[in-house]
Amino acid sequence: GNSVTQMEGPVTLSEEAFLTINCTYTATGYPSLFWYVQYPGEGLQLLLKATKADDKGSNKGFEATYRKETTSFHLEKGSVQVSDSAVYFCALSGKAAGNKLTFGGGTRVLVKP
Amino acid sequence: EPEVTQTPSHQVTQMGQEVILRCVPISNHLYFYWYRQILGQKVEFLVSFYNNEISEKSEIFDDQFSVERPDGSNFTLKIRSTKLEDSAMYFCASRGTGTGASNSPLHFGNGTRLTVT
Repeated sequence: GNSVTQMEGPVTLSEEAFLTINCTYTATGYPSLFWYVQYPGEGLQLLLKATKADDKGSNKGFEATYRKETTSFHLEKGSVQVSDSAVYFCALSGKAAGNKLTFGGGTRVLVKP
Repeated sequence: EPEVTQTPSHQVTQMGQEVILRCVPISNHLYFYWYRQILGQKVEFLVSFYNNEISEKSEIFDDQFSVERPDGSNFTLKIRSTKLEDSAMYFCASRGTGTGASNSPLHFGNGTRLTVT
């Protein structure tokens, strides 16, 4: 079955530091890949997505590239802000309409001023 | 931008009681989902729903759980006899249809925090 593995947190950084959160997946076929973010006390928000190999998703300074050869979708941001403190979830979905999302365990990121 | 809305935001109930968690998906979406997140843990799939029937469910979704779309707008999750371990945040999600639906993301509500005492 499908599964997503992401690095455990918490990840603690200083403002303006570089952030990487590793994510690898196991899936049949060619899934779509997503990063969701959960700010404190809030629900899950889509951060970015990529639907085929070598696609790069980007949003709010975050980027992730769909790497089929390494089955990875690592999230990066060049200069984090305190407001980026949140839990980040990597997820995948099969291509058939209606397929569910399978989430990784989440990575808590804490950015200190 | 259209949103998925969930009510209530927090529900406290006693063990053994029935609860109904309510969701209003985005109006032109046809695929609906429930997920749960036990505090500090992974987001877990419970059930997906399409065309007025369950399309997939996880092993968590046992006979104590049921879902319903009672009218054209609401999507509910019922837990018949709550247990302490049902305490979690429950998220509703919906997904669009049409061209590209398989690539479209799930849109989540802000969740209902269920506390079973």
